[in-house]
Order: sequence, then structure tokens, then C-alpha cells
Amino acid sequence: DAGVTQSPTHLIKTRGQQVTLRCSPKSGHDTVSWYQQALGQGPQFIFQYYEEEERQRGNFPDRFSGHQFPNYSSELNVNALLLGDSALYLCASSRPWQGIYEQYFGPGTRLTVT
Amino acid sequence: GENVEQHPSTLSVQEGDSAVIKCTYSDSASNYFPWYKQELGKGPQLIIDIRSNVGEKKDQRIAVTLNKTAKHFSLHITETQPEDSAVYFCAAETSGTYKYIFGTGTRLKVLA
Repeated sequence: DAGVTQSPTHLIKTRGQQVTLRCSPKSGHDTVSWYQQALGQGPQFIFQYYEEEERQRGNFPDRFSGHQFPNYSSELNVNALLLGDSALYLCASSRPWQGIYEQYFGPGTRLTVT
Repeated sequence: GENVEQHPSTLSVQEGDSAVIKCTYSDSASNYFPWYKQELGKGPQLIIDIRSNVGEKKDQRIAVTLNKTAKHFSLHITETQPEDSAVYFCAAETSGTYKYIFGTGTRLKVLA
């Protein structure tokens, strides 16, 4: 059973550019969450997608947007990149069990903005 | 706002000794507390979790305790091994919010 997969592994972009990161959830999972992890910090919640809609959002600007497809895979888009957007972007998939969402993380995409 | 504090930030123990990592959460409505292990270059791996209706949970060498009154929860690793060396994160979730609030991490080094 494949776990959560993310692509690409690494990415280098220039300030002002746009980037798209991709995530495929674990088999049987219908919910995808995205997190940003700066170096030496804990992951910060960006947003969660369920039934192809954004269900919850963290304290991130509108430059961060996403999408979920009918097969539950998801994309994270970041526009007008800033140096401060350099981080590890993590995708986590889950499905509810007794009201709780156990989240399983992918390996992440390392984004470097120069 | 919601916050999770985690201590210590670094922890070094001798192989075979025990390690304890502590977290405090601010939202009294939090009801689910997972712990993750993150190795270099990898995503966080869920190692154990506890729900608010349980005070303690154990899985082989790993245990987690929860004190709802004090809003504290802790990770205990016994008989540590070099492969336990990693960064450990605690997190808290409030049912209905769908998001985890993570602590800042503890870098555990197990010295052979």
C-alpha cells in the first residue's frame, strides 16, 4: 500500500514566480491537508481539502491556494513567491475515524526561493 | 490563539536510558494529541497518539500520558536506541477544526 506521495522532491524558484506542488493521498483517504515547515520549526497548517473544497484555512495569505481533484489528489499553488516562502511543504492525508483525523504525512517538497 | 509549547528543544541521552518530552497546549477543547518522529530529509511519521478520554497509552518502548486538567501531555521513550535519534513533534487537534497545532520540536540524540 503506497503511502502519501509528493512531487517534486526539490524545487528552486525566483522571487515573484509561481509554483505548483502535488500530492497523492494514501489509499482510502479522502482528505488532504497542507503544511509549511520552516527550517528548525514545527509544521504550520495552510489549509485542508475535503470533497474538492477548502474546508479549513490557517493564517496564510491568498497567494496560497489549492485544489483537490475527484481522485482525492491535491495541488498547492503559491503565487508571487517571496524569499520567506522557502520551506519544506508537507502534504498529509487522512480519513475520519470516530471524529478524529489521523494525519499521515508525505516526504515533502523542499522549495527554495532565490 | 491556539498554541502548543514543547520542551526541551534538544535532549541527549545515553543508549538504554529513558527520554521524556513534554508539551503544553492552550485550547482546553483540544481532544486529540499525536506524536511524530521526523528523520532528516523525511516527512513526519506518526508514532503514537492519545485521545482526551484516555490518560495513558503505551506501545512497546513508547508511552504517552495526558493530564487534561493541567493541559500537559508527555512522550516517554524507554531503553533508547541510536535509531531513536530524530526530531520529535507533539501536536494537538480540536475536533471540528481539522487542523493540527504543532510544537516546535525536540531534537533527541541517543549516544552509543
